[in-house]
Amino acid sequence: DTGVSQDPRHKITKRGQNVTFRCDPISEHNRLYWYRQTLGQGPEFLTYFQNEAQLEKSRLLSDRFSAERPKGSFSTLEIQRTEQGDSAMYLCASSWAANTGELFFGEGSRLTVL
Amino acid sequence: AQSVAQPEDQVNVAEGNPLTVKCTYSVSGNPYLFWYVQYPNRGLQFLLKYITGDNLVKGSYGFEAEFNKSQTSFHLKKPSALVSDSALYFCAVRPGTSGTYKYIFGTGTRLKVLA
Repeated sequence: DTGVSQDPRHKITKRGQNVTFRCDPISEHNRLYWYRQTLGQGPEFLTYFQNEAQLEKSRLLSDRFSAERPKGSFSTLEIQRTEQGDSAMYLCASSWAANTGELFFGEGSRLTVL
Repeated sequence: AQSVAQPEDQVNVAEGNPLTVKCTYSVSGNPYLFWYVQYPNRGLQFLLKYITGDNLVKGSYGFEAEFNKSQTSFHLKKPSALVSDSALYFCAVRPGTSGTYKYIFGTGTRLKVLA
């Protein structure tokens, strides 16, 4: 299967630690998105890339969050000095820029901050 | 501000009955509209989209949705519900012409189909 893959699927960490999530998009997709989803809520936009350029970043994203897509393929989302409020599902999605169509989502990375 | 509203947290329907899950939006320009479904501990799966053209669009698993520009709505429908349709449904919108490629999601509607 060549869908969007995310790693790790689950991460439990202590408050104050740093965590990093990886997303591998569908290979021909040049747009990559990160969303955060908390229980009972819809996905909240965090940021998106077109190729390696980060084109938009949510104001929800504090300075503790950083995302990269260095070669325009996989992406990483790092959270520094985690807080309990960071506990959520982090979703990655990709799409083809020439397409007016849908996002393809990965299974998500669930973060629990103790 | 651009937004999507799903006014119902939960919709209950008997198996075999028609179902409707409501969505309204507020965006500038001509929107691109989407419905996704999410099963427990899974990512979001695409169901259908409206970009342009016929206001009634058909998608996966027998679902369809009707775009109504005057009411700024994009309600999800299915003529005959199945128990396996029980899941969380999200409406999403992407502004068509504002230069952003950000997709905005609603808060979700939980659909329960009762046997």
